[in-house]
Amino acid sequence: KNQVEQSPQSLIILEGKNCTLQCNYTVSPFSNLRWYKQDTGRGPVSLTIMTFSENTKSNGRYTATLDADTKQSSLHITASQLSDSASYICVVRDKLIFGTGTRLQVFP
Amino acid sequence: DAGVIQSPRHEVTEMGQEVTLRCKPISGHDYLFWYRQTMMRGLELLIYFNNNVPIDDSGMPEDRFSAKMPNASFSTLKIQPSEPRDSAVYFCASSSGVKAANEQFFGPGTRLTVL
Repeated sequence: KNQVEQSPQSLIILEGKNCTLQCNYTVSPFSNLRWYKQDTGRGPVSLTIMTFSENTKSNGRYTATLDADTKQSSLHITASQLSDSASYICVVRDKLIFGTGTRLQVFP
Repeated sequence: DAGVIQSPRHEVTEMGQEVTLRCKPISGHDYLFWYRQTMMRGLELLIYFNNNVPIDDSGMPEDRFSAKMPNASFSTLKIQPSEPRDSAVYFCASSSGVKAANEQFFGPGTRLTVL
């Protein structure tokens, strides 16, 4: 069964701290994995895309990793800011399977 | 570009009423997607179009849901009759091409509440 599971479901951290979000998938065939950020009341916005051959990719303070063997991806946020408060959604293609997301709250 | 435009942003209706959600994709994009998002199930793909033609509607929950794309700049998602379990946020997204690497750009969503 094609599934994308994200953990934790929710996370609270203090501003300036780092955090890591997890995404495990059992989707086949695999084309790529994309991380979206969804602010409250807005549509998701793409942060980064990982293909089969990529292990690590950074976008500013966001760093995504992919282990295609274990079918796991992580999104690491460095030096968190209040504006990082959002839901982070992992999406695996080729079949467009969405995870249910991790809700991150950053407090001052 | 204004991005994907959806209307209305909020809709409150009573059970049994017809609901029509509207979407204007990004100009030049040839793929349009309709999604539904709930807390329990996350984002679910309902249907997508290529060049105004429905390609895959396997995600449409039942016959009460229908979607049309009469031209390249407009699409509707209709629910008739609506039920309380249809309450969710409905997103429209568009992309240029449907290759796995092509990014989808999402609209702001329509929050539907069926009483």
